[in-house]
Amino acid sequence: KQEVTQIPAALSVPEGENLVLNCSFTDSAIYNLQWFRQDPGKGLTSLLLIQSSQREQTSGRLNASLDKSSGRSTLYIAASQPGDSATYLCAVRRKGGSEKLVFGKGTKLTVNP
Amino acid sequence: DAGVIQSPRHEVTEMGQEVTLRCKPISGHNSLFWYRQTMMRGLELLIYFNNNVPIDDSGMPEDRFSAKMPNASFSTLKIQPSEPRDSAVYFCASSSKETQYFGPGTRLLVL
Repeated sequence: KQEVTQIPAALSVPEGENLVLNCSFTDSAIYNLQWFRQDPGKGLTSLLLIQSSQREQTSGRLNASLDKSSGRSTLYIAASQPGDSATYLCAVRRKGGSEKLVFGKGTKLTVNP
Repeated sequence: DAGVIQSPRHEVTEMGQEVTLRCKPISGHNSLFWYRQTMMRGLELLIYFNNNVPIDDSGMPEDRFSAKMPNASFSTLKIQPSEPRDSAVYFCASSSKETQYFGPGTRLLVL
């Protein structure tokens, strides 16, 4: 059974810092991995999707990497801003055709002005 | 497009009552997902449909929960009878390829 873990559960940084969020998964037979953002009281918004054959994806100040063999992914946020404050969740989709996503519990990020 | 639409946004009910949550997916999306989010368990998939057909309902907690998708533009999640432990935020999401688009959720409180 796939399990996804995100450490730390919460992170507080001053504005302008570069930071890394971590995600680990137990079963390396994945189809893809996604990072989502969730603002308080809102639904999830997809940030980046990495296929199992890829090593990283970039969008603006965000960079996500994937090391499938070690069961790890990181989300790097450059020059953090207060508007980046949110909960970040990673989710994995297994190989085999199912569209089911297994989510971590997320890292709550606070960027202080 | 308006995105995924869910109703109601908030629901407060008493134990034993029937609860029906509604979802309108993004037009053209052929997969629809129901999730439940709690502090203890995080975000869990309850059931998903592809082309209106239930594909994986292994996450449905028990017989008190049921979901339907009578057509491509509408789905319901029903809880009967509701219990306090069903209190959570329920999300609907839809997708056409690989990215899932989430609705704003329904916050359910069962007293």
